[in-house]
Amino acid sequence: QVQLVESGGGLVKPGGSLRLSCEVSGFIFGDYYMSWIRQAPGKGLEWVSYISTSGTSKFYGDSVRGRFTISRDNAKNTLYLQMSSLRVEDTAVYYCASLYGSGTATPFDYWGQGTLVTVSS
Amino acid sequence: SYVLTQPPSVSVAPGETARITCGGNNIGSMSVHWYQLKPGQAPLLAIYYNNERPSGIPERFSGSNSGNTATLTINRVGAGDEADYYCQVWDSSGDAWVFGGGTKLTVL
Repeated sequence: QVQLVESGGGLVKPGGSLRLSCEVSGFIFGDYYMSWIRQAPGKGLEWVSYISTSGTSKFYGDSVRGRFTISRDNAKNTLYLQMSSLRVEDTAVYYCASLYGSGTATPFDYWGQGTLVTVSS
Repeated sequence: SYVLTQPPSVSVAPGETARITCGGNNIGSMSVHWYQLKPGQAPLLAIYYNNERPSGIPERFSGSNSGNTATLTINRVGAGDEADYYCQVWDSSGDAWVFGGGTKLTVL
């Protein structure tokens, strides 16, 4: 049974930092490309970041580039998102998701239930 | 950057057919994926590569994609289909995954 479990969310002040984790089970984590996707309150889904299987290729959305860093530990079956210089508009539920297959045009086939990040003074 | 446009809401009576559109410039040349979001649950892949159904998704769900519009069709809609639905593509010119704004499906 595939499971993706996010953790690390919480309340943080503007300008602060937070690290999210996503622990994966039920499939060979090292074989899957992974992403972070977020949903702000009352808003739609927004892709945040992507990482290749080896971690050598990374992409970021325009709104987080330079502030967020994606990484992974294949030995621990865990995906990370280091968030710094957080802004009020980063407030959202953050989901980790796996990419089906090896291409960038592939769908996000498995998702976690998300972790809430609230940026507020 | 590439933009996907969805109607904010679609309402249908039980047993009827719901059609949710996703508009984008020449979207017919792209692979479109659809996701179902229900409160408190992990998002679910509903349709991928325009018209493929993952295992566990009822045959009532189907997709099409041509020209500037992709469509998610749900036949014989039931209360359990009430959810937000999002379309998504890969924007190769921007190296980014793009989602539509989402459509809230209400079963009357």
